Amino acid sequence: GAVVSQHPSRVICKSGTSVKIECRSLDFQATTMFWYRQFPKQSLMLMATSNEGSKATYEQGVEKDKFLINHASLTLSTLTVTSAHPEDSSFYICSASHTGTKLGETQYFGPGTRLLVL
Amino acid sequence: GEDVEQSLFLSVREGDSSVINCTYTDSSSTYLYWYKQEPGAGLQLLTYIFSNMDMKQDQRLTVLLNKKDKHLSLRIADTQTGDSAIYFCAESSYSSASKIIFGSGTRLSIRP
Repeated sequence: GAVVSQHPSRVICKSGTSVKIECRSLDFQATTMFWYRQFPKQSLMLMATSNEGSKATYEQGVEKDKFLINHASLTLSTLTVTSAHPEDSSFYICSASHTGTKLGETQYFGPGTRLLVL
Repeated sequence: GEDVEQSLFLSVREGDSSVINCTYTDSSSTYLYWYKQEPGAGLQLLTYIFSNMDMKQDQRLTVLLNKKDKHLSLRIADTQTGDSAIYFCAESSYSSASKIIFGSGTRLSIRP
């Protein structure tokens, strides 16, 4: 149980285009989803927290107009990188949690999406 | 602010025990986690411990927590080649709805 998937797993795009990454909780309802970014050989940095049906809360320094987050249902959150540039190339990882249950004791992480912007 | 620190590298002989150490600064930490990340993959939760516990054992894994010193360790008994990965120490407050603060990760390599 508690499986989180991401799609796509890898994406290459041209500079200036937008890319959408999906995060799905497959066997539980995720009241809260998180988006992280990981640079090579570095730790995960939280970008934003989203609750279903609400606007995302962004961490300091993360541009909300550039990284659009939608959490329209209890099983799906999307991250759209708008007008991507090479410096946006990174590994994006989502996680999901369901508070109020035993699952709520932790977050469950997706496998990550590697974005390369040329 | 909150900070989690761990050493960057650890090399262990196959069959020996591995001990990965971590320190954190947030005294309100409620949950302390160990995650494993294999190359090119996402994070796998290995184990977690509540701040009111001082030890948790799960098969080959033993977590020790010294809340007074804000020190957390992960011991892997009988280390195998499949244990090669990056291990992240992390903490969060209150619940999983709180953000998780990660350490920089410890790269564990196994030598024959």
